[in-house]
Amino acid sequence: EPEVTQTPSHQVTQMGQEVILRCVPISNHLYFYWYRQILGQKVEFLVSFYNNEISEKSEIFDDQFSVERPDGSNFTLKIRSTKLEDSAMYFCASSESRLYGYTFGSGTRLTVV
Amino acid sequence: AQSVTQLDSQVPVFEEAPVELRCNYSSSVSVYLFWYVQYPNQGLQLLLKYLSGSTLVKGINGFEAEFNKSQTSFHLRKPSVHISDTAEYFCAVNINQGAQKLVFGQGTRLTINP
Repeated sequence: EPEVTQTPSHQVTQMGQEVILRCVPISNHLYFYWYRQILGQKVEFLVSFYNNEISEKSEIFDDQFSVERPDGSNFTLKIRSTKLEDSAMYFCASSESRLYGYTFGSGTRLTVV
Repeated sequence: AQSVTQLDSQVPVFEEAPVELRCNYSSSVSVYLFWYVQYPNQGLQLLLKYLSGSTLVKGINGFEAEFNKSQTSFHLRKPSVHISDTAEYFCAVNINQGAQKLVFGQGTRLTINP
């Protein structure tokens, strides 16, 4: 069964450093998303991406965040200058259409120290 | 704006007992509804979804859910649980227009005791 692949599975970074979280969505999917889950809290929407541009973003997704689809397969989330409160599990997801639900990756656990 | 409320943060049940995990949503427009499961140290896996049609939907692993429009609920049920069902369960909603995002509930931790 097709999967959404995320790398790395764990990342530890110093506060103020830039991180790039990588995702390979399912190949025929058109919609791409990033969500995050702070430990013990609900899963929160960050951003959706369609047709090579951001289609919607949450208030969490401020100027420190950016997304890119640099080639036909990867979808990345960059955090420019990490803060302690960015520590969370970050999930990438993709879908053919929102009608079919989203396929989530297994997540990248980001720890900012 | 739409929201999702999962009324129980934790539900302990004995193996082979039935279980119901409750989910209520609020939205002024029609919605698509989903249940996801998260096993320990894993990602989110789609259990089932309601888009339209029959209000009773069946999913993987013996789970089912019933959409009740008048009560704005989408409760998840399983008639007999197994130890392997121990996980976090998330209800989510996607409104039927415009937005392309899922709004999640807080999650319910289902613990199965032998």
